[in-house]
Amino acid sequence: DAKTTQPNSMESNEEEPVHLPCNHSTISGTDYIHWYRQLPSQGPEYVIHGLTSNVNNRMASLAIAEDRKSSTLILHRATLRDAAVYYCILRDVKVGAGGTSYGKLTFGQGTILTVHP
Amino acid sequence: DGGITQSPKYLFRKEGQNVTLSCEQNLNHDAMYWYRQDPGQGLRLIYYSQIVNDFQKGDIAEGYSVSREKKESFPLTVTSAQKNPTAFYLCASSIKGTQYFGPGTRLLVL
Repeated sequence: DAKTTQPNSMESNEEEPVHLPCNHSTISGTDYIHWYRQLPSQGPEYVIHGLTSNVNNRMASLAIAEDRKSSTLILHRATLRDAAVYYCILRDVKVGAGGTSYGKLTFGQGTILTVHP
Repeated sequence: DGGITQSPKYLFRKEGQNVTLSCEQNLNHDAMYWYRQDPGQGLRLIYYSQIVNDFQKGDIAEGYSVSREKKESFPLTVTSAQKNPTAFYLCASSIKGTQYFGPGTRLLVL
């Protein structure tokens, strides 16, 4: 599986933008870039994903480099509730039995985001 | 509300005992997954199932077993062969590749 590299930790102040980087130099052409976050003692939560183009949703934006070897998750205005571990994951699309789409996620250590009031 | 439920929230296991963790989803997802998370670590895949009556081993399947008799349910049994079962266990289901996680079960050994 293609591997990702993230900083161990980052800090931000409340209501400021946060840019969380991820390097994935061995990404293949069919790998999607997924971001999840995990609050303490909770299950991970899907944030956003993309393939080639930049993506926006209500939670965040995902900026993907032109060569796809890196990406950045952007939280436009950090809140205290955004303090979590953020995981950048590459996922290859597979179609299994019965035509169902599935894919294993390989979680690394992630980036611990601390948000200061 | 649609979602994934896991029970119990906390589970205690005695030495040599098998315990079963429940995972139920009403999202109509075909694929389901079990992960294990140790303190300060990322998630590791135990088993996954693409469809009813089918499942595959993940990266750390030894000492665990699963069944998938119904689309909604994917229980995980931690057997006595798993020598270090203390961990946070997470169940997920997916559609079009995006996974949705349950709240987790924390297993402790007495």
